[in-house]
Amino acid sequence: EADIYQTPRYLVIGTGKKITLECSQTMGHDKMYWYQQDPGMELHLIHYSYGVNSTEKGDLSSESTVSRIRTEHFPLTLESARPSHTSQYLCASSGEGGSYGYTFGSGTRLTVV
Amino acid sequence: SQQGEEDPQALSIQEGENATMNCSYKTSINNLQWYRQNSGRGLVHLILIRSNEREKHSGRLRVTLDTSKKSSSLLITASRAADTASYFCATDAGRRYSTLTFGKGTMLLVSP
Repeated sequence: EADIYQTPRYLVIGTGKKITLECSQTMGHDKMYWYQQDPGMELHLIHYSYGVNSTEKGDLSSESTVSRIRTEHFPLTLESARPSHTSQYLCASSGEGGSYGYTFGSGTRLTVV
Repeated sequence: SQQGEEDPQALSIQEGENATMNCSYKTSINNLQWYRQNSGRGLVHLILIRSNEREKHSGRLRVTLDTSKKSSSLLITASRAADTASYFCATDAGRRYSTLTFGKGTMLLVSP
């Protein structure tokens, strides 16, 4: 079944640790996105990609980095986690034409202590 | 500054009643989309309306778009407890490399 997967679902980690949030989709979508969302708030775009080897920063400044080596995989990395990075991170993908909206993963809820 | 802004921020109704949520935006768009989010999980795409459309239906959902007022509304008819969720509008500016901009959402509570 075509879908988009995020792991881990929850992550509690200490300050200064390096972490990678995984996102994979099986729909063959070229476009993928990372959004950050605090509880009860709107989503903010932090990174996006329009295809392999293409990555762009979003509207919200973020200390994270992303890579797109394979179409299906769009991981997000924090080199040194801080409490200010505590948030929910949502990955999404979309196909061509923009007629069908985005497909979102279930999200990773990150807590940095 | 955010593109979409939903109103009201929260809405509480009884099962069987209709729920109406509004969204206003600031710049020209190619399309506007509505999403649902349950309990802080991932968002689910509900419906998309293009800038040249005025109204669209999908099951119990009815969306209207007024580009002159830069506003949209989402109507859920005969609501159910399972409709309890946060609802977000998102705008697509339509440029080749544009991305969706989301509003803050409306939290809907449907009581049995």
